[in-house]
Amino acid sequence: GESVGLHLPTLSVQEGDNSIINCAYSNSASDYFIWYKQESGKGPQFIIDIRSNMDKRQGQRVTVLLNKTVKHLSLQIAATQPGDSAVYFCAENRGPGGSYIPTFGRGTSLIVHP
Amino acid sequence: ETGVTQSPTHLIKTRGQQVTLRCSSQSGHNTVSWYQQALGQGPQFIFQYYREEENGRGNFPPRFSGLQFPNYSSELNVNALELDDSALYLCASSSTGGPEGEKLFFGSGTQLSVL
Repeated sequence: GESVGLHLPTLSVQEGDNSIINCAYSNSASDYFIWYKQESGKGPQFIIDIRSNMDKRQGQRVTVLLNKTVKHLSLQIAATQPGDSAVYFCAENRGPGGSYIPTFGRGTSLIVHP
Repeated sequence: ETGVTQSPTHLIKTRGQQVTLRCSSQSGHNTVSWYQQALGQGPQFIFQYYREEENGRGNFPPRFSGLQFPNYSSELNVNALELDDSALYLCASSSTGGPEGEKLFFGSGTQLSVL
């Protein structure tokens, strides 16, 4: 089974709202996490990453929060735009048994209504 | 857009056939990882190649094999195709040993349909 899972498969928001996408991971050996965005017909695109020695990292309109105590990640998108509509994946850098296998969750589909 | 290119973009095969997918990594990258993405699912790790050697493998049978060439491009070969092999195959390059060694840069994938 997958070691990374997402709480919500689909998230619908209005343009201009803030979006929060959540992710749970199960491998406590993971020390690096990445959020990817995948638009239809394209491969996943890097959004933001965070190492386990941090609990928050900000980018342009995006913030990633890491809670190692409960093994939870979130991606916050400020002022969501129609161009943000895509599937979002979190990935951790460890697979089953602590192996060095980058592991993706199932994904959350973000739908932004104009 | 990343500098990772994959070919072909689409492919239709029949059960039992063999297929070869190709990937050119981004300039300066020395590592290639292959993923299988079924419809509505996240990418599943197949294997990774570094310095022309397999450097890690996911839970895929031996009929999935690969190569990495001296120029760091790569091939994914699948023998004895099964219907369940129908998926988007993604190639990702990265720079092992570099400052962003664990960040993957993906191509747009090859959509394989097995009939």
